[in-house]
Amino acid sequence: AQSVTQLDSQVPVFEEAPVELRCNYSSSVSVYLFWYVQYPNQGLQLLLKYLSGSTLVKGINGFEAEFNKSQTSFHLRKPSVHISDTAEYFCAVIKGGNYQLIWGAGTKLIIKP
Amino acid sequence: KAGVTQTPRYLIKTRGQQVTLSCSPISGHRSVSWYQQTPGQGLQFLFEYFSETQRNKGNFPGRFSGRQFSNSRSEMNVSTLELGDSALYLCASRTNGGLDSPLHFGNGTRLTVT
Repeated sequence: AQSVTQLDSQVPVFEEAPVELRCNYSSSVSVYLFWYVQYPNQGLQLLLKYLSGSTLVKGINGFEAEFNKSQTSFHLRKPSVHISDTAEYFCAVIKGGNYQLIWGAGTKLIIKP
Repeated sequence: KAGVTQTPRYLIKTRGQQVTLSCSPISGHRSVSWYQQTPGQGLQFLFEYFSETQRNKGNFPGRFSGRQFSNSRSEMNVSTLELGDSALYLCASRTNGGLDSPLHFGNGTRLTVT
């Protein structure tokens, strides 16, 4: 069965510093990967997705992620965070032919001034 | 284009009661999914409806049910509420459920069961 592991439940980082949020998945077949962001008191919105092609995917708000098949990882990065990036970030993978998403537990990004 | 609208935004119910939550998807979206989000369990998939038919179902008891109408609007019902049903319930819509069809979420209904 496919699963998604987000290794850190919280990541504190200073404003304007770089950040990496880690995501690993387990699957023996091709996967399709997503990062969603949830701002306080809101629903989730799509940050970026990897379906095929270039392994470096650029998303909204300056975020990018790199698909690494050998390490089964899809880590999210931003070179310089802003206070407005305070949110919870979810990694997800498509499960099988019914396109159902399997979700990670989420990582709270905490920006320190 | 209007986003996904969920009503009500907040709800307080008593244990044993039943509740109905509503979701209006983005115009043109035929798929509606429901999720339960809690601090302990994270984001858990309830079910997905596509063209009025339940297409996928998560591992929730039969007290949780849903339906979708011909205009793609969806409702979720929880009967015989338990304290553990307190959660943020999120609805998400997408065009047809294909790989290139991302989920668009509403802001959720926060249900508190006392």
